[in-house]
Amino acid sequence: NAGVMQNPRHLVRRRGQEARLRCSPMKGHSHVYWYRQLPEEGLKFMVYLQKENIIDESGMPKERFSAEFPKEGPSILRIQQVVRGDSAAYFCASSSDRRRLSFGPGTRLTVT
Amino acid sequence: KNEVEQSPQNLTAQEGEFITINCSYSVGISALHWLQQHPGGGIVSLFMLSSGKKKHGRLIATINIQEKHSSLHITASHPRDSAVYICAGGHYGGSQGNLIFGKGTKLSVKP
Repeated sequence: NAGVMQNPRHLVRRRGQEARLRCSPMKGHSHVYWYRQLPEEGLKFMVYLQKENIIDESGMPKERFSAEFPKEGPSILRIQQVVRGDSAAYFCASSSDRRRLSFGPGTRLTVT
Repeated sequence: KNEVEQSPQNLTAQEGEFITINCSYSVGISALHWLQQHPGGGIVSLFMLSSGKKKHGRLIATINIQEKHSSLHITASHPRDSAVYICAGGHYGGSQGNLIFGKGTKLSVKP
């Protein structure tokens, strides 16, 4: 039973480009969460999704960031027109109802 | 002010020692998670608790709701326990994964 998968593991983008981060939850998990960990800082919640629905996006920056979890395929966190301040580790986690979170290995985004 | 405060920030122990990491949280947090972040960056969820005590192997997590305090204990510590331990709180009525994270406790266990 594969765990939470994230790809790519490392992503380098120039300022102004778009970054797409993918997360495939564990089999049987219908809840997906995205978190960001800035260098030398703690984790911060970004968004919570279920299939085809954004449930809680209270932690998402207002501009340039979006997330989706389509009926088929992985959840995608999209960052448009990246800036240096977007360089961070982005983790996704999944869960089934009311159970412990399972985290993916993270995507390290570097903006040059 | 962060709603979840951990102490200590850094902890060095000798192999075999009993270790305690503390977490205090503010009103409104209904569930506490303990996470372990490995030196390579990967995160493992250790416990999720809203009352009492949970044990898994050499790890024990306790929570005191009245005092709004949780502790993570490691018995017979080993160098492979070296990692950052993070506590995180979820609010009443909030989504399960909408967590407020502590800044983490960096544990180093020396052989």
